[in-house]
Order: sequence, then structure tokens, then C-alpha cells
Amino acid sequence: GAVVSQHPSRVICKSGTSVKIECRSLDFQATTMFWYRQFPKQSLMLMATSNEGSKATYEQGVEKDKFLINHASLTLSTLTVTSAHPEDSSFYICSARTDQGQPQHFGDGTRLSIL
Amino acid sequence: QKEVEQNSGPLSVPEGAIASLNCTYSDRVSQSFFWYRQYSGKSPELIMSIYSNGDKEDGRFTAQLNKASQYVSLLIRDSQPSDSATYLCAVPRGISSGSARQLTFGSGTQLTVLP
Repeated sequence: GAVVSQHPSRVICKSGTSVKIECRSLDFQATTMFWYRQFPKQSLMLMATSNEGSKATYEQGVEKDKFLINHASLTLSTLTVTSAHPEDSSFYICSARTDQGQPQHFGDGTRLSIL
Repeated sequence: QKEVEQNSGPLSVPEGAIASLNCTYSDRVSQSFFWYRQYSGKSPELIMSIYSNGDKEDGRFTAQLNKASQYVSLLIRDSQPSDSATYLCAVPRGISSGSARQLTFGSGTQLTVLP
């Protein structure tokens, strides 16, 4: 149980393109989903927290107009990187959980490369 | 003091030995603790959760929690080369962070099991 599917697994695109990443909880209802970014040899950095039906909460330093998050249902959250540039190239990972105190379960991640 | 601290390693142990991974946390009210394993280029995978003082065993893995000392550890018995990965300790953020209780991750300990 507790499977989180993330799509796509890899994206290579030109600078200025907007990229949408989907995160789905397949066998449970995720009241909260999280989006992380991880640069090589660094730990996970939380970007934002999204609760179903409400606006995402962004961490300090993360531009909400750059990284658009939508959590329209209890099983789906999307992250859109708008007008991506090479410095946005990173490993983006989503996670989902049911309730507070429960562990987060991670998707397989999306490796984004902006040329 | 960092919220969650781990020895970054790298930690090398011979195959068959016990690998010991340590983590300290700063928030005394934390009630749940998680260990994740992350292979290079992959997303984190939950391997253990612990909520009460003492030991919790699951196969070759044992998590140990000492809330008085604010210390949680992970022991891997009979280490195998396939255990080589980065191990992340995660603790929910304090109550002051709001209801979402995001996880704070340690920087991870890189483990290498030598054949």
C-alpha cells in the first residue's frame, strides 16, 4: 500500500518552457502533499505544502508565481515550473500522506533538465 | 543547532557487519520519527517509523528511540552491498509550524557496504 506515482520521470526541454509534473496517490487519499527539490549530493529541500482544496504554502525563498501548485483532489497534486531556466534543473520529488504524524510516501521523482 | 542532525559520513562497513546510523533532533515535543533510504538518483523510500521509546525491529533493521536524549538511531544487521545508500532521518516540525507538520530531514548519512 501507500503508492505514490509521479509523472513524468524525466523532462528535457528548452529554456522558457513551462513544465507540469503530476503526483498521484494511487491507493490512499492524501490530505496533504509536499513538493521537494534536490540538487546533486544535497538533501531534500521542501518547496511547498499543499492541502486539497486550498492554496499551497510555500517555503521561504520559493517563488509561488514560478512554481504553481494545484491540489484539486485528494489523489492528485500538480507542480508547474513556469518559464523554466537552466538554474531550475533539478530533481523534483513529491510526497503524500494521510494524516499528521503519519509518514510521507514519495513518488519516484522527476529529473528536470533545462537546456 | 540544526533541527535534525546526522553524521554525513561516509560510513563504510564490511559485508555482514552491523551498520549504526545516528540522528539527534532539537524539538522535545516530537512524537514520530522516520528513517528513509535513498539510493543514488532515486527518491527516498520509507524503511522504519518509530513512535515510542525503546527498540523497534523489522527484519534486519532496528530503530532505537530515546526521547530524553533526543536521539534516534538505525541499526542494520548483516549489512549487504545492496544496503549501500544514503539514509535520511526525518522528524515532523514543531507545533509552531502549523497544522501541516512538514518533515524536517537530516542531511543524510551515506553508507557503503563493502563486499
